Amino acid sequence: EDQVTQSPEALRLQEGESSSLNCSYTVSGLRGLFWYRQDPGKGPEFLFTLYSAGEEKEKERLKATLTKKESFLHITAPKPEDSATYLCAVQALDSGYALNFGKGTSLLVTP
Amino acid sequence: DAMVIQNPRYQVTQFGKPVTLSCSQTLNHNVMYWYQQKSSQAPKLLFHYYDKDFNNEADTPDNFQSRRPNTSFCFLDIRSPGLGDAAMYLCATSSADTQYFGPGTRLTVL
Repeated sequence: EDQVTQSPEALRLQEGESSSLNCSYTVSGLRGLFWYRQDPGKGPEFLFTLYSAGEEKEKERLKATLTKKESFLHITAPKPEDSATYLCAVQALDSGYALNFGKGTSLLVTP
Repeated sequence: DAMVIQNPRYQVTQFGKPVTLSCSQTLNHNVMYWYQQKSSQAPKLLFHYYDKDFNNEADTPDNFQSRRPNTSFCFLDIRSPGLGDAAMYLCATSSADTQYFGPGTRLTVL
């Protein structure tokens, strides 16, 4: 059975303090791994898709990387507006279009 | 600019009183999804449409139904809401693998 585990559950950073969020996954065959940002009371906002081990993608202060077992979302010099829940999801080759989400990491960046 | 629109944003219903949530999209995507997300939990896929083909997840309760009258619109019907159905309901669309979500409808059951 496909599994997605995110850690830590919650993370508090000071503004400018870089860190990484982890997403460990088990899937029979990976079609893609997705990162989303979700603000309270809103729908998930798409950030990145990664397809194969070794792939990296960047957007502003965020960088996502992928290995065969896990993905990291690196946040460089975060700002308070980066505070949100970050969701990881995997799409398996045999699951059609279904996304299997992790529970997310709740990030708080303080000034 | 809104691409996936959900109405209403907040819905209050009574225990057992049927309710319908609406989703529309301006992206012309052929796949539409409904997810349920409870507080501090991961979104859980209820069902999806590939064009007019309906695909129900195995553990989606019979209480939940869906309709897709055309490419742009999709509805979630909850026939007899229970207290456990209180959640955020998210609609998403995709044309390939990446899914784009709407803002969600927060359902309260009294």
